[in-house]
Amino acid sequence: DQQVKQNSPSLSVQEGRISILNCDYTNSMFDYFLWYKKYPAEGPTFLISISSIKDKNEDGRFTVFLNKSAKHLSLHIVPSQPGDSAVYFCALPNAGGTSYGKLTFGQGTILTVHP
Amino acid sequence: NAGVTQTPKFQVLKTGQSMTLQCAQDMNHNSMYWYRQDPGMGLRLIYYSASEGTTDKGEVPNGYNVSRLNKREFSLRLESAAPSQTSVYFCASTYAQMNTEAFFGQGTRLTVV
Repeated sequence: DQQVKQNSPSLSVQEGRISILNCDYTNSMFDYFLWYKKYPAEGPTFLISISSIKDKNEDGRFTVFLNKSAKHLSLHIVPSQPGDSAVYFCALPNAGGTSYGKLTFGQGTILTVHP
Repeated sequence: NAGVTQTPKFQVLKTGQSMTLQCAQDMNHNSMYWYRQDPGMGLRLIYYSASEGTTDKGEVPNGYNVSRLNKREFSLRLESAAPSQTSVYFCASTYAQMNTEAFFGQGTRLTVV
């Protein structure tokens, strides 16, 4: 069974500095990886994704890195802004023909960016 | 464009009571999902509907039933609520079955006492 772990429950950074959020997984069959962002009292919103054929994907201040051999992905936010304060989840779609886009989420990391 | 709308936003139930959580999307999406989120845990899939007329169990289906009423609406029913079902429930939808960029509703916070 697949397993997705975010080992840091929280992260605190200063405005303007880099935020690095990490995620580990166990099933090497995954071929697509996503990050979602969640504000309090709201649903998660899609942030950025990466395919297994790449090792980096960049979108503005957000970059996701994938290390397939280590089964590890990370999200970098540079520069961090107070509005980035939220819970960040990595999410992996179930592998196989019957998955229909089902997602397994990590536990989440609470990011706090201080002005 | 409302996206995914869930009702109600908050609900308190007594143990043994039943209720239905409603979800509707206006994005013409094919697939819809119900997740729950508990403290310190990520979202876990309860049930999903790949297309109108089909439903399947997810990771934690026990104690729940679902109905895909039409393409827009996907409801989640608790027949006999238990304190272990206290959680925040999220409905989500995607356009195509393998499209993993899901759009989520704002959530329903349910407390069972």
